[in-house]
Amino acid sequence: QSVLTQPPSVSAAPGQKVTISCSGSSSNIGNDYVSWYQQLPGTAPKLLIYENNKRPSGIPDRFSGSKSGTSATLGITGLQTGDEADYYCATWDSSLSVVFGGGTKLTVV
Amino acid sequence: EVQLVESGGGLVQPGGSLRLSCAASGFTFSSYSMNWVRQAPGKGLEWVSYISRSSTIYYADSVKGRFTISRDNAKNSLYLQMNSLRAEDTAVYYCAREPDYYESSSFDYWGQGTLVTVSS
Repeated sequence: QSVLTQPPSVSAAPGQKVTISCSGSSSNIGNDYVSWYQQLPGTAPKLLIYENNKRPSGIPDRFSGSKSGTSATLGITGLQTGDEADYYCATWDSSLSVVFGGGTKLTVV
Repeated sequence: EVQLVESGGGLVQPGGSLRLSCAASGFTFSSYSMNWVRQAPGKGLEWVSYISRSSTIYYADSVKGRFTISRDNAKNSLYLQMNSLRAEDTAVYYCAREPDYYESSSFDYWGQGTLVTVSS
């Protein structure tokens, strides 16, 4: 059972938009920034979003992040088949640890 | 080019020990905090441990007292000493860089991972 709650799976058609939610508590999301990671099959995770809504260099603006209270959301527009991956949210917790969501598998159908 | 290369994984019996290494290149290693993150087969990501530039250290409760993180800035290397290994420690272990100029814990570069299998 992960500290942060994500839907196990989401799906959408190519070109469409999808959102992935991440729910936490006042001990984690409510008190710190959220990061999002993309993990393509068989590869290491990659940082997509940091500090709730900032994109590292090289990440397209099709990817966006937001946070409200104890929840965060990752948005992906203009979906491509290459976006099929597992997506994880993460943040610092007051227990002095980094906590991850359980991950969301995105299918582009 | 930033590179993180893990090594030291393998098959070990329950109760045994293993030492993982992460060789860093392409950046000033001593200027960054570092982390270990693991992923059990078919499962999600689990943070394991953190070490700051000044060697402040944190551990996940699941490994506290059994694992020890360390770094050698002269060798641009990060380590994870794993003792009293259990079957549930079986996972791919990633090292990940954490820039201190980010406002919170975010891992901007990851290694390719090394597989640790704990089984008799």
